This record gives sequence, structure tokens and C-alpha cells, in this order.
Amino acid sequence: DAGITQSPRHKVTETGTPVTLRCHQTENHRYMYWYRQDPGHGLRLIHYSYGVKDTDKGEVSDGYSVSRSKTEDFLLTLESATSSQTSVYFCAISESTAGETQYFGPGTRLLVL
Amino acid sequence: AQSVAQPEDQVNVAEGNPLTVKCTYSVSGNPYLFWYVQYPNRGLQFLLKYITGDNLVKGSYGFEAEFNKSQTSFHLKKPSALVSDSALYFCAVRDLDSSYKLIFGSGTRLLVRP
Repeated sequence: DAGITQSPRHKVTETGTPVTLRCHQTENHRYMYWYRQDPGHGLRLIHYSYGVKDTDKGEVSDGYSVSRSKTEDFLLTLESATSSQTSVYFCAISESTAGETQYFGPGTRLLVL
Repeated sequence: AQSVAQPEDQVNVAEGNPLTVKCTYSVSGNPYLFWYVQYPNRGLQFLLKYITGDNLVKGSYGFEAEFNKSQTSFHLKKPSALVSDSALYFCAVRDLDSSYKLIFGSGTRLLVRP
């Protein structure tokens, strides 16, 4: 999976609790992304980062925040988890944008009860 | 707005037969197009991409895709399917309004029967 790890791989939590997912890369790529995968929707972009401390919103960013204090780590936080955030979350990286390929991590399966 | 459509939720094919997984797109300029494959409980794996040049793009595991500008299509093909090709396939297009974003289709499940 292109030098990308995600932790935890599985998590069960309760509505209203904060949750942080971690993405770690060893490729030294500049760009990092968080997606969520839901049946019938493919993958949808939550947030992305174009450098350390440089982040921006994707198409489904409500209820999520991100931080990137180091090139290799990109954190996704659900401030107060809701059942609608039950999903599989994927991190991706790319060296640049435009035609550059994005490479994906193994995913984190999150269940919010 | 840019979009991509995969009209088939599932494609069934017998092992050894050719397979096609369809993808059509809508963009305002020249598209960057990608195919990914997802095996159960795994992340997405890159198969191939079209940026410019030859309309027939060859990728991993014997897959290829044909870019057709007039039909705005980028269908994934393989001459002879394997049971191990059974997986979920995603087409994606680069959002030209936001160079960071990939727009994904809803996915097509390929089932290759022995």
C-alpha cells in the first residue's frame, strides 16, 4: 500500500465521543487526502493537505477537522461522532497534483453506535 | 461540474472471456482519468491512467482502457478474465476546478465465475 499506514484499522465508538484517525506515510509526498467510502457513493473527499499546516476542505467536510504538523502524518478528527459518520475512511497521498496518481492506505473501518 | 458515471453496479463474466467495465465522464476541459481496483478489506490499488497521448492505455495485471473523447468514455478492458480479477472497480476523473480532487464513480463489482 505504497508506504501508507492507517491507525486504528477498526474502531467502534459511541455517538458524541471524539475520534481521531491517523495516516502515516513514508514516501515524503507533499499531498495527503482523507476520503470516506460509502455504498453507492464511491469515495468522497473530506479534507486534503498540500503541505505542513496547509489544509483545505473537500466536498463532505462538515463534522470533520484535520491537522498536519509533520510531512508524514495527517490526522482526521471527528469532534463529536454521529451515526452518519459510520464509514470506511481512506487516506491517500500524491507527490503532486494534476495528473499525478494518488495512492491509498488500507483504510479504517469506523462504527458509530 | 465534473462528474463520472459507472452505469453498471455489477458485471458478470466467465473466466477466459473478455471483460469490459464501463465509465463515462463529464468535464469542461481535457480530462485526467484513472482506474482503481479494490479487493475485499483492502485499500484502492492504482491500475492505470490517461493523461494525454495514445488513446489505449495499458496498466497493471493485463488491464487496459480506451479513451474515447467523442463518446466521453474510458472503459476498462481485459482480453481474458481471471477468477482473481473479481473485485470492485472505480473510475475517477481529476477535478479541473480543483487540481487536488479526484471525483470517483460509484464503483462496479466484477464477478468472474470459474
